[in-house]
Amino acid sequence: GEDVEQSLFLSVREGDSSVINCTYTDSSSTYLYWYKQEPGAGLQLLTYIFSNMDMKQDQRLTVLLNKKDKHLSLRIADTQTGDSAIYFCAEKGPSGGYNKLIFGAGTRLAVHP
Amino acid sequence: DAEITQSPRHKITETGRQVTLACHQTWNHNNMFWYRQDLGHGLRLIHYSYGVHDTNKGEVSDGYSVSRSNTEDLPLTLESAASSQTSVYFCASSGLANTFSTGELFFGEGSRLTVL
Repeated sequence: GEDVEQSLFLSVREGDSSVINCTYTDSSSTYLYWYKQEPGAGLQLLTYIFSNMDMKQDQRLTVLLNKKDKHLSLRIADTQTGDSAIYFCAEKGPSGGYNKLIFGAGTRLAVHP
Repeated sequence: DAEITQSPRHKITETGRQVTLACHQTWNHNNMFWYRQDLGHGLRLIHYSYGVHDTNKGEVSDGYSVSRSNTEDLPLTLESAASSQTSVYFCASSGLANTFSTGELFFGEGSRLTVL
């Protein structure tokens, strides 16, 4: 079945890099997403990667995809206090053009001075 | 600007009462979803709809129902609220994936429901 797993908590020092990891089980996933949730708010799409890509870079964000191991990671360079949030990994299910996303439990990133 | 709004943002109710959470989107999206968010479980899918008059059960649908009478709205009803349904509820919508879009989900701000 479909399942997405990620660690629940990560603490980093301001200015360091953060790496949030995720594993998924559905090898037919077409897109994998990273969403960010700030306190008291809904989720917002941070970045995504198409399943035929190995890496995607977008300013301070780098997404790495290892399809063989079904492992996805999000690296945030020069982490700032504004990056403190919950980060959700999600995979798009194998339902063609529709968007039934399966989410992980979320990783709470705490950035300290 | 197009948006997705939920109401109420906060609600306290008693066990056994019927509760309806509203979701309205102006994206003209065909797909709409309801998730609940609980500590340690992340987001779990309750119900979803791929268009008017279409509804489908998600992984935690027991005790919940939805109806889709138009494109813009997908209200979520708890027929007889239970304490286990205390949670934060998120509505989301998406269009079809195409050359210009991954078809990602757009989320509302959430509705915090407490069942006493």
